[in-house]
Amino acid sequence: QSVLTQPPSVSGAPGQRVTIPCTGSSSNIGAGYAVHWYQQLPGTVPKLLIYSNTNRPSGVPDRFSASKSGTSASLAITGLQAEDEADYYCQSYDHSLSGSYVFGTGTKVTVV
Amino acid sequence: QVQLVQSGAEVKKPGASVKVSCKAAGYTFTRYAMHWVRQAPGQRLEWMGWINGDNGNTKYSEKLQDRVTITRDTSASAAYMELSSLRSEDTAVYYCAREIYGSGSYEVYFDHWGQGTLVTVSS
Repeated sequence: QSVLTQPPSVSGAPGQRVTIPCTGSSSNIGAGYAVHWYQQLPGTVPKLLIYSNTNRPSGVPDRFSASKSGTSASLAITGLQAEDEADYYCQSYDHSLSGSYVFGTGTKVTVV
Repeated sequence: QVQLVQSGAEVKKPGASVKVSCKAAGYTFTRYAMHWVRQAPGQRLEWMGWINGDNGNTKYSEKLQDRVTITRDTSASAAYMELSSLRSEDTAVYYCAREIYGSGSYEVYFDHWGQGTLVTVSS
């Protein structure tokens, strides 16, 4: 099954900047399909964090930003806060096989 | 406001089927597609399939296409996901999620999610 690869965990101190890469391939991100990001706080439902590569929904702090280049995308959190401790997932479309929407492997962000 | 309310937790035996419902409120049901996503304990999100709220067309993941069926009832503003031949590996939280289609090709993301339904498969 096609996947988008993320590091299992990243950590940072309060106030620091952390980045989460999402590595794809020529059949998904590299083919030009948009990347979206979700935040899942412990024990809760995923929440849309970034859509269409770089856009924040209303209510999402501007501490969250994202970019996309080639076969990869990246989520950045600046001014890390304790409340940002959560799992983060990238999502895109993959045209291989019969075509499907795919999620990244997920990254746990820990505020140390 | 948009709400997606799912049915309650289920416990099933291996080989059985389960049907989870997702009732939508706060928007016109037929104007949006609905997707189903599942998450096994401690695992990543896995896309299962989607249904067009207007015409009922469906598309399933290749991994699950032989066992999953997604339907809708427009009069009830509800979508349903049925998974058959259950195995222990199907133990997961199942979510419905409303689709937003952007301007690009297959530019689909999920702006509202149901609260999740835990399905446990155990003998």
